[in-house]
Amino acid sequence: SQTIHQWPATLVQPVGSPLSLECTVEGTSNPNLYWYRQAAGRGLQLLFYSVGIGQISSEVPQNLSASRPQDRQFILSSKKLLLSDSGFYLCAWSSGVGNTIYFGEGSWLTVV
Amino acid sequence: EDQVTQSPEALRLQEGESSSLNCSYTVSGLRGLFWYRQDPGKGPEFLFTLYSAGEEKEKERLKATLTKKESFLHITAPKPEDSATYLCAPAGGADGLTFGKGTHLIIQP
Repeated sequence: SQTIHQWPATLVQPVGSPLSLECTVEGTSNPNLYWYRQAAGRGLQLLFYSVGIGQISSEVPQNLSASRPQDRQFILSSKKLLLSDSGFYLCAWSSGVGNTIYFGEGSWLTVV
Repeated sequence: EDQVTQSPEALRLQEGESSSLNCSYTVSGLRGLFWYRQDPGKGPEFLFTLYSAGEEKEKERLKATLTKKESFLHITAPKPEDSATYLCAPAGGADGLTFGKGTHLIIQP
């Protein structure tokens, strides 16, 4: 069966510091991968999605970036965090466009 | 642009008191309508996918239905463990899902 892991689970970072959240998927090949953010009182917002290695699409302009160095690895990064980057970040995968999207457990980021 | 509105934002029910959650959407080329359950501090858990108007899916005390513009999640005789935030998300032509803000459901014993 397929599983998705993301880490770290909780992170407290000062403003201006870098960020790296990692996500890996097991039990499937060539998945579509996604990063979502859920801010307090707001819905899930799609940040990035990828249909293959090195292929990244950005949905929202921001100071975040994503990379997919391997087929089942997805990384969310920032060079300098802002207070507004605080939130709950979720990695997810699907087997293709329009198919069910399955989520990881999430990473809580607090920028102070 | 795809739009999703869920109502009510919050709902408090007594154990055993049935009710329905609404999801209204505007999507070009609907590929499917997804329902998820999210517990506090956790990632959303997949419940159902509906693909065409008139379709219904059931799981324990939950039943999801779909029309051309809305989906309903009916909860029959709920229990406290059904307390969660329920999210709907229509899938359009683009990859990824557009999520509603969810309905925060509390079932009181």
